Amino acid sequence: DSGVTQTPKHLITATGQRVTLRCSPRSGDLSVYWYQQSLDQGLQFLIQYYNGEERAKGNILERFSAQQFPDLHSELNLSSLELGDSALYFCASSVDGAWDSPLHFGNGTRLTVT
Amino acid sequence: SQQGEEDPQALSIQEGENATMNCSYKTSINNLQWYRQNSGRGLVHLILIRSNEREKHSGRLRVTLDTSKKSSSLLITASRAADTASYFCATVLRGSTLGRLYFGRGTQLTVWP
Repeated sequence: DSGVTQTPKHLITATGQRVTLRCSPRSGDLSVYWYQQSLDQGLQFLIQYYNGEERAKGNILERFSAQQFPDLHSELNLSSLELGDSALYFCASSVDGAWDSPLHFGNGTRLTVT
Repeated sequence: SQQGEEDPQALSIQEGENATMNCSYKTSINNLQWYRQNSGRGLVHLILIRSNEREKHSGRLRVTLDTSKKSSSLLITASRAADTASYFCATVLRGSTLGRLYFGRGTQLTVWP
């Protein structure tokens, strides 16, 4: 068990809808990352937060947004959903967000857009 | 775009055999990490090797890094059925102070009992 909790495990929704994915990092970890995993794109970095502030942005669409709250949990909001957004969304955390700190991954939220 | 590429895409071996997976990357790095992913689960960190290191061991795992060739290899010795998983290399780009990782597409390892 990595200590990173993601909810929900599965989400099925229709095109055009909006969903929120939630992540609780490992106890003591200050940095949270979001990744998207799909068959055609592989693992893509979306965004990183450290202690509530955005640190780095990757291939995150404008329809997606995220934030990290004072209690360090994070939410990823996906809106105007398209079929191509169907993927496994992972949250990961690290103790300090530094380049030599390993990431600890949750078990992901599987999003299916119909 | 992918920074790293694992080779082979799939590997099938018998228990007790060694498994070797390779990773090539495109740009200079701070470190390279290997992760394992069991089907439908999150990734698990296995080992981190810094750009100034050439070899690292952890239990049955041995990782090598050749920065001149921009490549790394992961060797799993005396494999077990429980080692069946996808293995990913991930890199932190040189000069980056952040922990953003660029992942390859992975090698699917199947170990038959």
